[in-house]
Amino acid sequence: NAGVMQNPRHLVRRRGQEARLRCSPMKGHSHVYWYRQLPEEGLKFMVYLQKENIIDESGMPKERFSAEFPKEGPSILRIQQVVRGDSAAYFCASSPLRGARNGQPQHFGDGTRLSIL
Amino acid sequence: KNEVEQSPQNLTAQEGEFITINCSYSVGISALHWLQQHPGGGIVSLFMLSSGKKKHGRLIATINIQEKHSSLHITASHPRDSAVYICAVDSNTGNQFYFGTGTSLTVIP
Repeated sequence: NAGVMQNPRHLVRRRGQEARLRCSPMKGHSHVYWYRQLPEEGLKFMVYLQKENIIDESGMPKERFSAEFPKEGPSILRIQQVVRGDSAAYFCASSPLRGARNGQPQHFGDGTRLSIL
Repeated sequence: KNEVEQSPQNLTAQEGEFITINCSYSVGISALHWLQQHPGGGIVSLFMLSSGKKKHGRLIATINIQEKHSSLHITASHPRDSAVYICAVDSNTGNQFYFGTGTSLTVIP
């Protein structure tokens, strides 16, 4: 069974460009979570999605950031007009059901390390 | 103040030592997770627990719900245990998942 697949592993963008980060959940998982890990800081929740629905985006910056999880294909975290402060590791996790309430742990991907020049 | 606090922030141990990492949280939770992150690598889920104690090999995790505290123990530590250990809680209100800042463990041969 393939785990959670994130690509690319490393992404370099110049200020003002767009960054697209992809996450393919584990087979059979319909819940996806995105987290951001800033340098020297802990992980922070960004957004929780189910297929075709954003359930909770309370951790997403109000501007430039968006996320989707279409019926077919991976979940995408999109950052428009990137700035230096967006440099971070972005992790995706998936679960088959809604988290611990159903006794399901989250499975994490290896992350995408985004560097802004 | 963070919802999840870990201690110590950094820990160096000799191979074979018994290691304890502590985690305190301030929110209501449905479960607590211990995660392991290797340098430049991904995150692996070690334990998910909502009560009592769990053991997996040389790793033991305990939680005290009343005191809002959890510990991760490593017995007979080995250099390959060197990693960052992260405590995270699954909030029982909303969809938030709160993380501690991690404990960086180095085990010296």
